[in-house]
Amino acid sequence: DQQVKQNSPSLSVQEGRISILNCDYTNSMFDYFLWYKKYPAEGPTFLISISSIKDKNEDGRFTVFLNKSAKHLSLHIVPSQPGDSAVYFCAAKGNSGGSNYKLTFGKGTLLTVNP
Amino acid sequence: KAGVTQTPRYLIKTRGQQVTLSCSPISGHRSVSWYQQTPGQGLQFLFEYFSETQRNKGNFPGRFSGRQFSNSRSEMNVSTLELGDSALYLCASSLNWRGGTDTQYFGPGTRLTVL
Repeated sequence: DQQVKQNSPSLSVQEGRISILNCDYTNSMFDYFLWYKKYPAEGPTFLISISSIKDKNEDGRFTVFLNKSAKHLSLHIVPSQPGDSAVYFCAAKGNSGGSNYKLTFGKGTLLTVNP
Repeated sequence: KAGVTQTPRYLIKTRGQQVTLSCSPISGHRSVSWYQQTPGQGLQFLFEYFSETQRNKGNFPGRFSGRQFSNSRSEMNVSTLELGDSALYLCASSLNWRGGTDTQYFGPGTRLTVL
């Protein structure tokens, strides 16, 4: 039962254009969402997060949008740069006790930014 | 501030052996979580420790165990290794993790290969 889904395994964009990575979730107990970027043989690097009380959070070239009614979030990267090429993971955290207090990850989307 | 460190970075073991992995969190962080990453299952939560106590546990067999020391450093142990335990093991630290917008920061991981 995959509670966090990233339906696009890969995405290719041109340098300077917008990259949009999508993520869907099913667990209504999730209230905090994070995006991580990962290079091969390294640990995930935290990029940006959003609380469920917001619908948008921006940090430089990265913006995350949250649509709670659709249980959908997206990460926008503008403008995309070749150094952004990596696997991007969407992760979610629950707001009540027990097993919800963990990060549940999507399978990741491989972003390739072409020069 | 130094980031999360994990040792060793690479390990090769044979089936039936046991292994111990170490994680040093960011200074001041008291919560340490462990994750397993495999190509098939993605990133999966193993357990979380806070103030030397296991606070949360994922769906892994009892062969996987961990502990946390008074300085917040953590170790995880896998006994009776199986081929399927070959994976990247990631440690993540955070201040408390129960706080609403607390973030987990990951180490570089330990690549375990079981032959």
